[in-house]
Amino acid sequence: GAGVSQSPSNKVTEKGKDVELRCDPISGHTALYWYRQSLGQGLEFLIYFQGNSAPDKSGLPSDRFSAERTGGSVSTLTIQRTQQEDSAVYLCASSLSQVTQYFGPGTRLLVL
Amino acid sequence: GIQVEQSPPDLILQEGANSTLRCNFSDSVNNLQWFHQNPWGQLINLFYIPSGTKQNGRLSATTVATERYSLLYISSSQTTDSGVYFCAVASVRSSGGSNYKLTFGKGTLLTVNP
Repeated sequence: GAGVSQSPSNKVTEKGKDVELRCDPISGHTALYWYRQSLGQGLEFLIYFQGNSAPDKSGLPSDRFSAERTGGSVSTLTIQRTQQEDSAVYLCASSLSQVTQYFGPGTRLLVL
Repeated sequence: GIQVEQSPPDLILQEGANSTLRCNFSDSVNNLQWFHQNPWGQLINLFYIPSGTKQNGRLSATTVATERYSLLYISSSQTTDSGVYFCAVASVRSSGGSNYKLTFGKGTLLTVNP
């Protein structure tokens, strides 16, 4: 079946603008995760959604970052007032349980 | 939080050679996964292995949880094995008992030459 998809593949924005990144998980997967991969910090956990439970937002780096998951499926990660240090690859993953995570191809964000 | 150290950081092999990648972690874990990130950036799950041994084709992995390390074996390497191999763990202590909040190591960059 189809894997995790993310859009856009690449995004270039100007400092101070807001951006929205989208993730479509594997159909039927109840858990969804966002990670960030940057040269300086490696791969970092950002946020976790599981069904209708309150999300675990403990990895979000600042209040400029937010995410939602509508209808238990598609998720959107929003970064407000982007900064140059937000430049990174944003990865989404999904899983059936809290174990094996399947990753999407990522969105490469460049903030000028 | 939990520390994850991978070694070696870089590895260059000739096609057909075998290799062992190591992952050391600093605390008890309830989740350990190995991933391969190909040159195009796609992360592919290889193993979920918080303990024990698993094999999948030319790849196998062993985790000795009591000694806090895991090994990934690649046999008869192929050029398509090139990329970065990541170990990721969830710690019982630092994740509040959950097993989903993965902490990644810095990875091993593997280059397999033809």
